[in-house]
Amino acid sequence: NAGVTQTPKFQVLKTGQSMTLQCAQDMNHEYMSWYRQDPGMGLRLIHYSVGAGITDQGEVPNGYNVSRSTTEDFPLRLLSAAPSQTSVYFCASRPGQEETQYFGPGTRLLVL
Amino acid sequence: AQSVTQPDIHITVSEGASLELRCNYSYGATPYLFWYVQSPGQGLQLLLKYFSGDTLVQGIKGFEAEFKRSQSSFNLRKPSVHWSDAAEYFCAVGVVGGNEKLTFGTGTRLTIIP
Repeated sequence: NAGVTQTPKFQVLKTGQSMTLQCAQDMNHEYMSWYRQDPGMGLRLIHYSVGAGITDQGEVPNGYNVSRSTTEDFPLRLLSAAPSQTSVYFCASRPGQEETQYFGPGTRLLVL
Repeated sequence: AQSVTQPDIHITVSEGASLELRCNYSYGATPYLFWYVQSPGQGLQLLLKYFSGDTLVQGIKGFEAEFKRSQSSFNLRKPSVHWSDAAEYFCAVGVVGGNEKLTFGTGTRLTIIP
């Protein structure tokens, strides 16, 4: 199993540009989540999904959209990037019967 | 809402010395508790977790943690650190039946000196 994969590893955007951060898992996990990591703030939950077709907001959802059309994929969309969205983004997944989350390697995003 | 406090932003220890990283949580019921480690430029790796039962839990890489309900703490320990333990450590609390409400502390950066 590849586990949780994320692409790209690093991205530079200009303010106002849009982009999609990709996340995929091959473990057939029901739950998937997106976090952002900022210095001195730990990880904060952006959006999560409890299964295909079901998503919900986390702690810091503004400026981000998600969808879950398949069990494997959970893309995160930035419709109009802002400098405040400069961060490291982590995707995570877990099976429905287990509380442990498995994290991807992260995407480092810089918005100029 | 639950919260996690890691009071030490940065800790430096000598190789071979013992280590204790502090974690305090706030939650009205029994939480799920986790310790994750993040090496530079890497994702988060689970070290250990506590759900119920024995309050002293063993994890990977020789780490252990003890859940103390009376002190709302879940401190991470290692009897003898290795240079490869240099990383950032995150404590996290989850809500029983609370789907994805995993709340992280702000992390403790561990530096190992020869």
